[in-house]
Amino acid sequence: GAGVSQSPRYKVTKRGQDVTLRCDPISSHATLYWYQQALGQGPEFLTYFNYEAQPDKSGLPSDRFSAERPEGSISTLTIQRTEQRDSAMYRCASSPAPRKGTQYFGPGTRLLVL
Amino acid sequence: AQKVTQAQTEISVVEKEDVTLDCVYETRDTTYYLFWYKQPPSGELVFLIRRNSFDEQNEISGRYSWNFQKSTSSFNFTITASQVVDSAVYFCALRDMNRDDKIIFGKGTRLHILP
Repeated sequence: GAGVSQSPRYKVTKRGQDVTLRCDPISSHATLYWYQQALGQGPEFLTYFNYEAQPDKSGLPSDRFSAERPEGSISTLTIQRTEQRDSAMYRCASSPAPRKGTQYFGPGTRLLVL
Repeated sequence: AQKVTQAQTEISVVEKEDVTLDCVYETRDTTYYLFWYKQPPSGELVFLIRRNSFDEQNEISGRYSWNFQKSTSSFNFTITASQVVDSAVYFCALRDMNRDDKIIFGKGTRLHILP
């Protein structure tokens, strides 16, 4: 597509529920990134994919967080047993290749855990 | 370790004034990229500029200009003749060219342009 898209744009869930967020990168881009942005803070790296491979997931805060990109295009970020501290903006970005070029961000998914 | 510091949490200026947003970075790497992103009230993150560590030439794009000073590890952003539409949170960011692929963001500066 023309830009990075994410869905849903807003998600409200109850503590303990699982949520899955979706990212559709720019179609020619090999590399896809997930960031978490708490209110009043800058985005913080969670993980990234180069096609289907996931070379770095060092930023995932706990084993409740996981991400997939099975066919090297669309990616999902799943948070299991959500907690209130998971409330944040979750941002996806893509770039043409690893360590090259600029990362272009999608509109984000704002997650609220009650 | 890599770090980006935006010491100005919030700035308010009157429309048509010039304003400079400060950014200081720390890295042990000799090759890196620096970025500025804009987050308007609508919430998206908009790419403004990327500079690499080899190129210290300042850049101007319309009312925007950037001053990269490697000697002081700074990458400041100036908006000339500010407009209300410039109101946003601005993030400075850093990325190593060769090692990690993550962008390290500062905490952002919230800019209010008053009519």
